[in-house]
Amino acid sequence: DTEVTQTPKHLVMGMTNKKSLKCEQHMGHRAMYWYKQKAKKPPELMFVYSYEKLSINESVPSRFSPECPNSSLLNLHLHALQPEDSALYLCASSSFGLAGSYEQYFGPGTRLTVT
Amino acid sequence: DAKTTQPPSMDCAEGRAANLPCNHSTISGNEYVYWYRQIHSQGPQYIIHGLKNNETNEMASLIITEDRKSSTLILPHATLRDTAVYYCILSGSARQLTFGSGTQLTVLP
Repeated sequence: DTEVTQTPKHLVMGMTNKKSLKCEQHMGHRAMYWYKQKAKKPPELMFVYSYEKLSINESVPSRFSPECPNSSLLNLHLHALQPEDSALYLCASSSFGLAGSYEQYFGPGTRLTVT
Repeated sequence: DAKTTQPPSMDCAEGRAANLPCNHSTISGNEYVYWYRQIHSQGPQYIIHGLKNNETNEMASLIITEDRKSSTLILPHATLRDTAVYYCILSGSARQLTFGSGTQLTVLP
């Protein structure tokens, strides 16, 4: 199974709502990632988890709160978002191969619209 | 990680080889060259990666110049389903992928 699943596929939320995005993989990967992709732009890294611990936070606003409850699951909790946060949110996972040698497997993404 | 330069767009006839160039003149010794592609509205898909030697898998071939300052991704027999944005990315031990603007490859019937 080389699949990364993300739910929901689409999400519309108001600026006062709290919602969560979910990502799951069963490839035994111990690194998981969140990316944000605005329309017609490349993906931008938000967070990296290594062995269930947050290892990289790319200066993401605190209204985005990641969580890695176990090695297979990655959540992104959303609160008090702004309309400019509307984007495709991508999850990815990878193994820990030789330093620098690994491939990331991406999920299909969650299309988020903030109204 | 060092940056890459790719042409913004390329066309290729169906059934012909697609050769996508990438310049990375400031590549460091420990940086790998990765290629991903993203078909419209889907998540990026890993294609291939290499350090120094040329690499081939079931999807593509990667040719890296001897000085490692440039590389070429080759799709040997392009199909309409290969139409996508192709990203050339350098990544070292930090396991971070920094996506550039990529090349929009359009395979024409």
